[in-house]
Amino acid sequence: TQLLEQSPQFLSIQEGENLTVYCNSSSVFSSLQWYRQEPGEGPVLLVTVVTGGEVKKLKRLTFQFGDARKDSSLHITAAQTGDTGLYLCAGTFGNEKLTFGTGTRLTIIP
Amino acid sequence: NAGVMQNPRHLVRRRGQEARLRCSPMKGHSHVYWYRQLPEEGLKFMVYLQKENIIDESGMPKERFSAEFPKEGPSILRIQQVVRGDSAAYFCASSTMSGASYNEQFFGPGTRLTVL
Repeated sequence: TQLLEQSPQFLSIQEGENLTVYCNSSSVFSSLQWYRQEPGEGPVLLVTVVTGGEVKKLKRLTFQFGDARKDSSLHITAAQTGDTGLYLCAGTFGNEKLTFGTGTRLTIIP
Repeated sequence: NAGVMQNPRHLVRRRGQEARLRCSPMKGHSHVYWYRQLPEEGLKFMVYLQKENIIDESGMPKERFSAEFPKEGPSILRIQQVVRGDSAAYFCASSTMSGASYNEQFFGPGTRLTVL
């Protein structure tokens, strides 16, 4: 059974600051996705990474996939209040089903 | 291009009743997945279906739960004789293909089931 741990579990920072959240797995990912979920809604896909060492950027968000494909990070530059939400990492491990992490609940304070 | 659609968005049932949750995948997607999010817990995989086939049901409870994805129409997650512990948010996701190096799943808004 694969375990995905995300840290920190909760994070509150001031608008304009930078932050990084982490996702760690006990097993090697086949692929890894980052999602953001708002209250009462479904997860929205932000990015997919598949190659060890891969870096992808989405505006102020930078996603990095570890060389060994067992960890990933999401870095947000100059956080805005609109970034508030639950950030979930999810991975596949040789099959189609996604295993989700525990999530990081991010709050950006104006 | 419409996203994944789920209905109803909210469903209230009394213990012992049946719940039917529907999911229409994104246009062009032929793979459907169901996940459950219990209160204060993460999303857990339940079942993966292609048209008329159940591919992986390793996350489905052994009793009372069933899923189908007919040739025509939406995918249905059916829960018979609901109990309070079935209260949760049920999410459907869809993707275009399997067997690729990766598989991107797009989620619907979910159905929130409350069992009284």
